[in-house]
Amino acid sequence: EAQVTQNPRYLITVTGKKLTVTCSQNMNHEYMSWYRQDPGLGLRQIYYSMNVEVTDKGDVPEGYKVSRKEKRNFPLILESPSPNQTSLYFCASSSGGEFWPTYNEQFFGPGTRLTVL
Amino acid sequence: GQQVMQIPQYQHVQEGEDFTTYCNSSTTLSNIQWYKQRPGGHPVFLIQLVKSGEVKKQKRLTFQFGEAKKNSSLHITATQTTDVGTYFCAGQNSGTYKYIFGTGTRLKVLA
Repeated sequence: EAQVTQNPRYLITVTGKKLTVTCSQNMNHEYMSWYRQDPGLGLRQIYYSMNVEVTDKGDVPEGYKVSRKEKRNFPLILESPSPNQTSLYFCASSSGGEFWPTYNEQFFGPGTRLTVL
Repeated sequence: GQQVMQIPQYQHVQEGEDFTTYCNSSTTLSNIQWYKQRPGGHPVFLIQLVKSGEVKKQKRLTFQFGEAKKNSSLHITATQTTDVGTYFCAGQNSGTYKYIFGTGTRLKVLA
């Protein structure tokens, strides 16, 4: 089944404790992205990656890191989480590449609800 | 920075009534996508519009992309309870791979 998976689905942590949220897709997509969703603010893009070893900042990258060492994985790293990073996080992927932008449906993962105390 | 405004924020309709949500971008877009998110779920792709003035239909849903490629709308005819959820537009500028999402319109359908 074609899908985007995220782990963990729920996480409660404390300020300053480094964490990683994993994201994996099995569709051989080139483009992957991380979003955070907050009430009243919609989805805001944190980072995206056009391909392996190619990443760039979205609108709200502060406090986050990403890496793209393999095509299928795109982990989100919070080196020193703070309470304002409490949010619902979504990973997404799309085919990208030669299909850009004519057809670029984004497939979203189930989300990770993060609480930073 | 670029903004995509979406209105209304909330809409309650009686089942069978029509519904429209609008997106307006501060900059010209290369394309716009629409997503639906059910309560407790993740966004699900509905459609992508690329051409100026483009109109696409999916059963009861009609999507439009403005002539200037700065605005878009989603219209649902004769809403059903299955239409409940939040509808988001997501715009992309030429020469960039970033997406800017609208703030969403939460639709509630009263049976």
